[in-house]
Amino acid sequence: RKEVEQDPGPFNVPEGATVAFNCTYSNSASQSFFWYRQDCRKEPKLLMSVYSSGNEDGRFTAQLNRASQYISLLIRDSKLSDSATYLCVVTPHTGGFKTIFGAGTRLFVKA
Amino acid sequence: DTEVTQTPKHLVMGMTNKKSLKCEQHMGHRAMYWYKQKAKKPPELMFVYSYEKLSINESVPSRFSPECPNSSLLNLHLHALQPEDSALYLCASSQDQAAGYTFGSGTRLTVV
Repeated sequence: RKEVEQDPGPFNVPEGATVAFNCTYSNSASQSFFWYRQDCRKEPKLLMSVYSSGNEDGRFTAQLNRASQYISLLIRDSKLSDSATYLCVVTPHTGGFKTIFGAGTRLFVKA
Repeated sequence: DTEVTQTPKHLVMGMTNKKSLKCEQHMGHRAMYWYKQKAKKPPELMFVYSYEKLSINESVPSRFSPECPNSSLLNLHLHALQPEDSALYLCASSQDQAAGYTFGSGTRLTVV
């Protein structure tokens, strides 16, 4: 089993749709959780940190379920500009700054 | 300054060449990283420096040699690379594990 697994995608959605991505992690002692966005041929950019209480930033909501060891990202009212690859990232309890990237989920938002 | 700056942006090198990639951050972050990313794959960790000391080497071949001259700079020295080493090389920095990374825009390396 991979340490971090994401929905394989790609997701093809129309503008205005709501889309949800899930990510599971295998190490129950994992400490920190993030969603990154990566545009084609660009660097990954931090989208959101993910907390147990859940957090929201505009159209984006991230949730963490420690009991089930999964993280989710919800995008409401999708825009064309949301088209990108979304990477789930987990930091284990041990490992001194080592983080583990999921394989990424590609999102295409179409007019 | 909230950026990580990488140079050069593009590099083409022969298998017998020696070259260096450079990375700089002025955010006071205490950890700096080198990642390698192939097309349609996630970034793969190569090296981590924490407080200017190498803390993680992910079994990277010795033809890649990292160097951290000071808390703001990170270099990756390249020697005798193979064509399969062609990739996007990303530098990142972070304050701590809970903070997430700031990535540079990367160096797109082609080995011929």
